[in-house]
Amino acid sequence: EPEVTQTPSHQVTQMGQEVILRCVPISNHLYFYWYRQILGQKVEFLVSFYNNEISEKSEIFDDQFSVERPDGSNFTLKIRSTKLEDSAMYFCASSETAGSPLHFGNGTRLTVT
Amino acid sequence: GESVGLHLPTLSVQEGDNSIINCAYSNSASDYFIWYKQESGKGPQFIIDIRSNMDKRQGQRVTVLLNKTVKHLSLQIAATQPGDSAVYFCAGREQGGKLIFGQGTELSVKP
Repeated sequence: EPEVTQTPSHQVTQMGQEVILRCVPISNHLYFYWYRQILGQKVEFLVSFYNNEISEKSEIFDDQFSVERPDGSNFTLKIRSTKLEDSAMYFCASSETAGSPLHFGNGTRLTVT
Repeated sequence: GESVGLHLPTLSVQEGDNSIINCAYSNSASDYFIWYKQESGKGPQFIIDIRSNMDKRQGQRVTVLLNKTVKHLSLQIAATQPGDSAVYFCAGREQGGKLIFGQGTELSVKP
């Protein structure tokens, strides 16, 4: 069964550094998402992306965050200058249509020290 | 705005019993709901979904019930197995397409 893959599985970075989290969505999917989950809390929406542009973003997704689909297969989340509170699991998801279920990757655990 | 919340943070059941996990939502405009299962160290895994024009949908060992009058959603797992132990999230779709997740219920199955 096709799946969403994310790399790396764990990223440790120092406060103020830039990180790029990578995702390969399911190949025939057109809608892409990033969510995050702080330890022990619920999954929070960050951003949705369709047709090479952001469809919607949350309050969390401030100017430090950006997304990009640099080629036909990858979908990346960049955090420009990481803060301690950015430490969380970051999940990429994709869906075939706007109305179909989201399929999630296994996440990248980001630790900011 | 949308909020989706769960009644209980933990649920412990005996293997073989049925499990019922509940969820309340506040946005009456939500038209689509999904239940996800999250095992330790993994991403949310799709279990079953239901559209707002339905009140019940069945899958393999799982049933989702939707009561739009009281804005309540439940997930029923029949003959619960140890492999069902996980955190279960409900999620509702807002206009615009994004999913809003509830807090999660941790299901623990005792052998």
